[in-house]
Amino acid sequence: SAVISQKPSRDICQRGTSLTIQCQVDSQVTMMFWYRQQPGQSLTLIATANQGSEATYESGFVIDKFPISRPNLTFSTLTVSNMSPEDSSIYLCSVEDAAGSSYEQYFGPGTRLTVT
Amino acid sequence: AQKITQTQPGMFVQEKEAVTLDCTYDTSDQSYGLFWYKQPSSGEMIFLIYQGSYDEQNATEGRYSLNFQKARKSANLVISASQLGDSAMYFCALYSSASKIIFGSGTRLSIRP
Repeated sequence: SAVISQKPSRDICQRGTSLTIQCQVDSQVTMMFWYRQQPGQSLTLIATANQGSEATYESGFVIDKFPISRPNLTFSTLTVSNMSPEDSSIYLCSVEDAAGSSYEQYFGPGTRLTVT
Repeated sequence: AQKITQTQPGMFVQEKEAVTLDCTYDTSDQSYGLFWYKQPSSGEMIFLIYQGSYDEQNATEGRYSLNFQKARKSANLVISASQLGDSAMYFCALYSSASKIIFGSGTRLSIRP
């Protein structure tokens, strides 16, 4: 299975600032995703990070607020822009691992963001 | 439209007992997959088990098994011989043809010693 790391693991930020979260995978993967988990909630997909093209955003998420980069098949970044306390969440990156008839999706350890 | 439902917000189970976590789903896709993830208090999402819609046998991974009833659209997770370390949030998830996963609301499992 793919090994995924995220930086930073946690941060406390002032409102109005921006934070960039990095996701690094130890192998080349086709599909990378970014999720948000608000306190006490389930995971919500923010966007699919596409290598070499603009990310595909889910309803309710926009590029100006959550710009995403995917320069290669092992790395992606998510920026949370102009933060407000409502952005306090765990942000997780995940990758798809499809082999034969099996399909697995693995998650990074997450970035715990608190906005004050 | 895709939908995944977990009706048990919380469960308490005695150590060493088996526990079943419920999950029902709805999808118009013929080909799909179902996952279970464990999320301890540390926040990481740990992949437990996967069941493809065309798999004829129920998936098993160690103490975890997935009771897949396609006609009922249910994919319950069974944990045998529960351990204190099993205490965590458990999420059921549906993988759709659009290569996206949607998650249920989760079940908080607490194991009593």
